[in-house]
Amino acid sequence: QQQVKQSPQSLIVQKGGISIINCAYENTAFDYFPWYQQFPGKGPALLIAIRPDVSEKKEGRFTISFNKSAKQFSLHIMDSQPGDSATYFCAASITGNQFYFGTGTSLTVIP
Amino acid sequence: GAGVSQSPSNKVTEKGKDVELRCDPISGHTALYWYRQSLGQGLEFLIYFQGNSAPDKSGLPSDRFSAERTGGSVSTLTIQRTQQEDSAVYLCASSFSGTNYGYTFGSGTRLTVV
Repeated sequence: QQQVKQSPQSLIVQKGGISIINCAYENTAFDYFPWYQQFPGKGPALLIAIRPDVSEKKEGRFTISFNKSAKQFSLHIMDSQPGDSATYFCAASITGNQFYFGTGTSLTVIP
Repeated sequence: GAGVSQSPSNKVTEKGKDVELRCDPISGHTALYWYRQSLGQGLEFLIYFQGNSAPDKSGLPSDRFSAERTGGSVSTLTIQRTQQEDSAVYLCASSFSGTNYGYTFGSGTRLTVV
């Protein structure tokens, strides 16, 4: 059973455009929702994270939007750059426990 | 160390052989996690060590998989009688116990079973 569902599987965006990746979860006990960025041959690296007591968190060009009632959250990458081309994973956890990951989104930003 | 260190970075083994994968967590991190990343499958939780507590083994896919953590630091994931479906990238992560603070992944071990 997939605890976290992620879409789309792949995404192609022009440089300067907005990249949007969506995730949905089922377990209302989850209290931590991170996004990870992974480059080929590397482990996932934390990009940005949010807790369910806020609806939005912004760090530079990266924003998480969180909808608690819909049990959905999304990553927005503004002014997408070729260097943002990577695989992005959403995740959810109960603090201090294992993460449940989405299946990943391969983002390609075309120059 | 400065980051989570995993070795080897790549491992090719013959079907039926046993393999050991090593993870050296960040110094001071008492929580350690193993995940498996298969192509197009995301990251699948395998096992979780927290301090001196009994590990959470609920994600291990079969009894061919086992892991231990010695001295609360280095961990070894062992796969016995490897099968082709075991081919994947095995990732280790560590953090401070009871929090998500500092949750950091290693670069993984790419296992290929031929």
